[in-house]
Amino acid sequence: GQNIDQPTEMTATEGAIVQINCTYQTSGFNGLFWYQQHAGEAPTFLSYNVLDGLEEKGRFSSFLSRSKGYSYLLLKELQMKDSASYLCAALDSNYQLIWGAGTKLIIKP
Amino acid sequence: GAVVSQHPSRVICKSGTSVKIECRSLDFQATTMFWYRQFPKKSLMLMATSNEGSKATYEQGVEKDKFLINHASLTLSTLTVTSAHPEDSSFYICSARSGATSGDFYEQYFGPGTRLTVT
Repeated sequence: GQNIDQPTEMTATEGAIVQINCTYQTSGFNGLFWYQQHAGEAPTFLSYNVLDGLEEKGRFSSFLSRSKGYSYLLLKELQMKDSASYLCAALDSNYQLIWGAGTKLIIKP
Repeated sequence: GAVVSQHPSRVICKSGTSVKIECRSLDFQATTMFWYRQFPKKSLMLMATSNEGSKATYEQGVEKDKFLINHASLTLSTLTVTSAHPEDSSFYICSARSGATSGDFYEQYFGPGTRLTVT
């Protein structure tokens, strides 16, 4: 079956760095997405990786290892507004997104 | 960037009535639209995938006669919850995909969601 695993909840301190991990098992693979979702709102796109390696975009970076079925989202210089759920989603062979349950990130001052 | 609107943002209805939710792609043509349901503190659950001009494909366990989906044009899809019950109360989110790809990039653009409460 298809499966996405990510931690349920993480806590970090304002100004620090946090890494949210995601492992995936899908029927075929056409890339991995990270979305941010604030409570009561729809997800917003953060990043897309299809090749191995690190993609950096401002304070956020995303890493992919296809051979390990593994990705992480790295958030630097954490701000209180980064408190949200972070959803990992893999694109399978049918170009359908398979969603993880999301990681709730709590930022403390 | 691509914008998807959803209407209404919130709706309260009585048990037994029907509710229609609209999803529109405002600045691009959406060949495929997706309807998701999300329970509190849970991830997105795909309900159905609809391609313009054809019948929607429903995920296992989703009643197609209860959740009617119409994708009549390249910019509009509707979800109608028929004979709503309190257990249908949820956050419904649509997303749209243009089908125009840059390489293998199949990003979905999300609407703001509709909070449905059935009393």
